Amino acid sequence: GENVEQHPSTLSVQEGDSAVIKCTYSDSASNYFPWYKQELGKGPQLIIDIRSNVGEKKDQRIAVTLNKTAKHFSLHITETQPEDSAVYFCAAHDNAGNMLTFGGGTRLMVKP
Amino acid sequence: KAGVTQTPRYLIKTRGQQVTLSCSPISGHRSVSWYQQTPGQGLQFLFEYFSETQRNKGNFPGRFSGRQFSNSRSEMNVSTLELGDSALYLCASSEGQGTGELFFGEGSRLTVL
Repeated sequence: GENVEQHPSTLSVQEGDSAVIKCTYSDSASNYFPWYKQELGKGPQLIIDIRSNVGEKKDQRIAVTLNKTAKHFSLHITETQPEDSAVYFCAAHDNAGNMLTFGGGTRLMVKP
Repeated sequence: KAGVTQTPRYLIKTRGQQVTLSCSPISGHRSVSWYQQTPGQGLQFLFEYFSETQRNKGNFPGRFSGRQFSNSRSEMNVSTLELGDSALYLCASSEGQGTGELFFGEGSRLTVL
């Protein structure tokens, strides 16, 4: 089945700086890659996703890039704000099992 | 539109007991997935139901089971609880059409003593 690795596990940045989280996946047939944000005491919430026919997607301060050849995708957050502090999960859609496989998560801390 | 509702939010059980968790999906969503979240293992897929049928199952022992009712509400059951079952159990619903957005509930936090 699919295996998703996520790095780093923790990331601390100053407010206004950029943050980058990277993920690799193993199943070359995977074609859907969402990113979820989980705030304390809440369930994960989708913030952006990308499909395999697209190399990059942006939504205001958030962008995701996908390199299908290398089987890795990244989340970029620019001009970070304290409210961006949360745990971020990447995921890949496992075509064989028709389910999402999640990375281990990244705890992002934005210091004011 | 109401979100995904999970009950109970918190519960404490002892080893050997069993527990049932409930999930009400977003209205109109036919797919319900369950995930176990622990600090060490992250988000692990348990199973997914679509129109009352289990479509997918993760790599968990048979003590973990689930079902879905005709109104799309779902329950999961864990029998013969072990200390390692302590976790946040998350339910997510979707329209069920392949690679679509999952909408998560806030989870049921189970502590096994």
